[in-house]
Amino acid sequence: NAGVTQTPKFRILKIGQSMTLQCTQDMNHNYMYWYRQDPGMGLKLIYYSVGAGITDKGEVPNGYNVSRSTTEDFPLRLELAAPSQTSVYFCASSRWGTDLNYGYTFGSGTRLTVV
Amino acid sequence: KNQVEQSPQSLIILEGKNCTLQCNYTVSPFSNLRWYKQDTGRGPVSLTIMTFSENTKSNGRYTATLDADTKQSSLHITASQLSDSASYICVVSGGGPYSSASKIIFGSGTRLSIRP
Repeated sequence: NAGVTQTPKFRILKIGQSMTLQCTQDMNHNYMYWYRQDPGMGLKLIYYSVGAGITDKGEVPNGYNVSRSTTEDFPLRLELAAPSQTSVYFCASSRWGTDLNYGYTFGSGTRLTVV
Repeated sequence: KNQVEQSPQSLIILEGKNCTLQCNYTVSPFSNLRWYKQDTGRGPVSLTIMTFSENTKSNGRYTATLDADTKQSSLHITASQLSDSASYICVVSGGGPYSSASKIIFGSGTRLSIRP
């Protein structure tokens, strides 16, 4: 049981480039999330999904897009990368709902640098 | 504004010593609170969860307390080990069991270093 798997672990992008951060989970969780973690700051929610075909914006969605075509996968797309998107990105999932009570499982993160 | 404040920002203690990390929150309405441990280069892993009616909960050498009246929580680590070196994040959920993911507020964490 791999849990939540994120790829790549590290990436350097040039300003204006695009990329997709991959996230997949093998726990059959309905709920999936993307967070970014900036130095000295708490995790901020970018987008989340309550099931295949359903996505919703979080606190900081600008500059990102997501899709959820399957239960397992929840890719995060960066279009026209900017230095402000330099951060560590975490994908997470939960089985029964979005509340903390249901327990979130986090991936190991993708460290992205935009230069 | 819903906020979660943690103190201290960083802490260094000797192996075998105890320590207490603090979390103050202004999230309302309050649903529950979790403490996570985040090792360097890894995602957060849950240590404990506390609901409104719980005052204390233990998980091995970790003991979390909650005072819902003063909106404060603490995480006490007993007999610290080198493997306890990590960031400890306080996360508060508001709005009940069916609330949006946007109601979950993360603190910025306390970075704990254990020295031999």
